[in-house]
Parts: sequence; C-alpha cells; structure tokens
Amino acid sequence: EAGVTQFPSHSVIEKGQTVTLRCDPISGHDNLYWYRRVMGKEIKFLLHFVKESKQDESGMPNNRFLAERTGGTYSTLKVQPAELEDSGVYFCASSQATGVGEKLFFGSGTQLSVL
Amino acid sequence: AQKITQTQPGMFVQEKEAVTLDCTYDTSDPSYGLFWYKQPSSGEMIFLIYQGSYDQQNATEGRYSLNFQKARKSANLVISASQLGDSAMYFCAMREADPGKFYFGSGTKLNVKP
Repeated sequence: EAGVTQFPSHSVIEKGQTVTLRCDPISGHDNLYWYRRVMGKEIKFLLHFVKESKQDESGMPNNRFLAERTGGTYSTLKVQPAELEDSGVYFCASSQATGVGEKLFFGSGTQLSVL
Repeated sequence: AQKITQTQPGMFVQEKEAVTLDCTYDTSDPSYGLFWYKQPSSGEMIFLIYQGSYDQQNATEGRYSLNFQKARKSANLVISASQLGDSAMYFCAMREADPGKFYFGSGTKLNVKP
C-alpha cells in the first residue's frame, strides 16, 4: 500500500513568486491535514480536510495560502505571493478517522525556501 | 498556551544506554491520545508509540515505552538500549477527542554516540 506522497520534496523560490505543493494521501483516507514546521519550532497545524470539505482551516496564516482538495483525493497548497517567513517544511498527513487513537500517516514533507 | 511542551531541544546518549525524552501536555479534555513520532534525517515521520488517556498500563513497543503520568500530564518516551539508528528528531503529539486536532511539540534531537 502506498503511503502519503508529497511533491516536490524541495522548492526554492524568490519572494513574491508562487509555489504549489501537492499531497496524495493514503487511498481511502478521508481526513487530510497540512502542517508546517519552521526551523526549531513546533509542527503547527494549518488545516484539515474531510473528503473535499475544509473541516478546520484555523491554522492558515493568511489569505496568501490557499488549499484545495479536488474530489476528495489529492490536495494542493498554494502560496501566492510567497514571503520570507513562509520558509519551512510543509507536511501533509492523512488518517482514516479522527478518534483519539487514530494516528496520522505523514508524507516526507516539502522543504520550502523563500529567498 | 502550548499544548505540548518538549523542554529538551537536544540530547546525547551513549550507544546501548537508555534515554528518556520528556513531554508534558495540556488539555481539559478527559479523552485524548498521546503519540510519539521519529523523524530521521531522511525527513519522513515515523509513528513509534501510542497511549490513550484511559489506558491503565504504560504503552510499550519493542525498545520504546511511554512513561504516562496522568496527574502530572507527562508522557515521556523511554528508549532502551539505544542504537546508532535512533539518532533523529523525536516529536511528542496529542490528539483530543473534540475536535480531533493533532498538536505537536517542538521536538528533541537525539544523538546516539558510539
């Protein structure tokens, strides 16, 4: 069974440019999450999809970030225009359900560097 | 307020010795789950161990055990007989029943010395 996959693994862009990150969750996982880790800090929640609907987007930093989940399958996270403080590792994770014992399955992350 | 606190940014341990990574959490939800993940240099996040808030026994998975002290709200990870391959970042995490969101700490970087 394929795990969570993320593309690209690394992205280096200049301030003001646009970047789109993609996540393919584990097949059958309705719940998809985006997280971000800035160097040395905790992994912070960005948003949660249940199928194609945004269940919780309280962690999205501002309106430069746009997440979509087409048909409840893969998800994209677009940053437009990118700022220096957007640099970090963006993780995608999925789970079948949301019970307290449901672990998250993670992708390997996208390292975003905004110069 | 911080939901998960990991106070050790970095730790060293001698190969074959045991090491404890600290984690405290903050929740008023009576039902929650506690998790530890390992992130090696390759970047992927690997699930290690889970403890439910109602579990009476401490969770164990091979060389990993979770020292769960509910009254103190701590969930320390104990790794016995450290191996060089244990060198990695370790994240403590909590999932509450409502609304099911996952919270992570800032991580502890463990270095195992030969």
